[in-house]
Formats: sequence, C-alpha cells, structure tokens
Amino acid sequence: GDSVTQMEGPVTLSEEAFLTINCTYTATGYPSLFWYVQYPGEGLQLLLKATKADDKGSNKGFEATYRKETTSFHLEKGSVQVSDSAVYFCALRIVGNTPLVFGKGTRLSVIA
Amino acid sequence: KAGVTQTPRYLIKTRGQQVTLSCSPISGHRSVSWYQQTPGQGLQFLFEYFSETQRNKGNFPGRFSGRQFSNSRSEMNVSTLELGDSALYLCASLPMAGEVNTEAFFGQGTRLTVV
Repeated sequence: GDSVTQMEGPVTLSEEAFLTINCTYTATGYPSLFWYVQYPGEGLQLLLKATKADDKGSNKGFEATYRKETTSFHLEKGSVQVSDSAVYFCALRIVGNTPLVFGKGTRLSVIA
Repeated sequence: KAGVTQTPRYLIKTRGQQVTLSCSPISGHRSVSWYQQTPGQGLQFLFEYFSETQRNKGNFPGRFSGRQFSNSRSEMNVSTLELGDSALYLCASLPMAGEVNTEAFFGQGTRLTVV
C-alpha cells in the first residue's frame, strides 16, 4: 500500500542552523506530496506542497523538491528560528478518491 | 472566515463508556475526514464523509463510527472505549472530496483520555 517514511526525531538545532528532514514515499499511483506542520496545542497546517516531479514547494523559508527518481520529498530550511519548533509531517495523496497518508512526524526543537 | 471547529477540546472517559466527538468544517466545505493521532502510530486515517456519505474508511474496528449531517457537520462515535483509544482526534475539511491537490484544513483536535 501507499506509505510515507520520514526521519525519526526529535531533532534539536541551534537558531540559524540548517535543517533537513528526510521523507521518502511508496505509492501505487502518481502522488501529490505535502508537508504539514503542527505547532504545540494546534492542529495541522499545510506548509508546502508539490504536485508533479521536479516541482519545488516553498513557504516561510522552507523548501522541498519532488524527486520521482528517488521517491523523496526532503524538507529544508537554510536558517531555522525558535518559532519553527513544531512537529513536521510529510504526506502524500494519490489522485482520485483516497485520503492523505502521513508519515509519523518529526519533532523539531530550535534553541536560542 | 471561521476555521474547522472541534468540540470538545478535552475529554476524559472510563473504559467501556462511549464517546461522541463533533466537527464543524469550514463554511462551504463538504468533505470531512477524521484522523487518530498517537505518539506510537502517528496519524492514522479513520474515515471520510462527503455529502452525508462515507467515501473512505480506514482500518479501525467497528467500534469507531461516524456520520455527516446535511449542514456538513460531522460526528464520530467510539463505543466500548479501551485504554488504547486515548489519542488526539483530528478533523480535516476540504471543499470537495477526491481533489488531490487541495489543501486540507485541520481543527485543533479533541484530546481523548480513557482511564
């Protein structure tokens, strides 16, 4: 079946450090890919998305590129801030009548 | 415009009881999905409703059920609660079902604790 694997956390970084959170997927069809973020006590918010191979999604300094050849969608940010501390979820959705499939989430803590 | 509203935010129940959670989607959205979030399993899909019809169902026992009303509000019910049902239950709304690239909007969730 369809699945998403993302790096286990927690990840702890100092402010202004470079962030990478790895995400790979297995899909029976052609997926759209998403990164969602969950701040403490909140629901999930869409961070960015990419709908076809080689697309780059970006938002708030975060970027991820849809790599079909490696079935990956790694999240990166050049300089993290304390306010980026949250749980990040990679997800996919196959065209048609299917739900979002999530990875298990990666908790990021950024310290000043 | 108002976001997705889930009630109640917190709930404590005893094993064997049943519970009903409510979700009001964004105005105009007709698709509602439910997810269970636990530290060990992450986010697992429960079911999706569109225009009062269940369109998808995840791999959960029959104790978990849901419905959607004509105003798109949705409820999920868990009967005969078990300790393992303790989780954050999240509701997501979409304008339509089956639109793969459309953003899903999530509520803040209901934290259910079973004791």
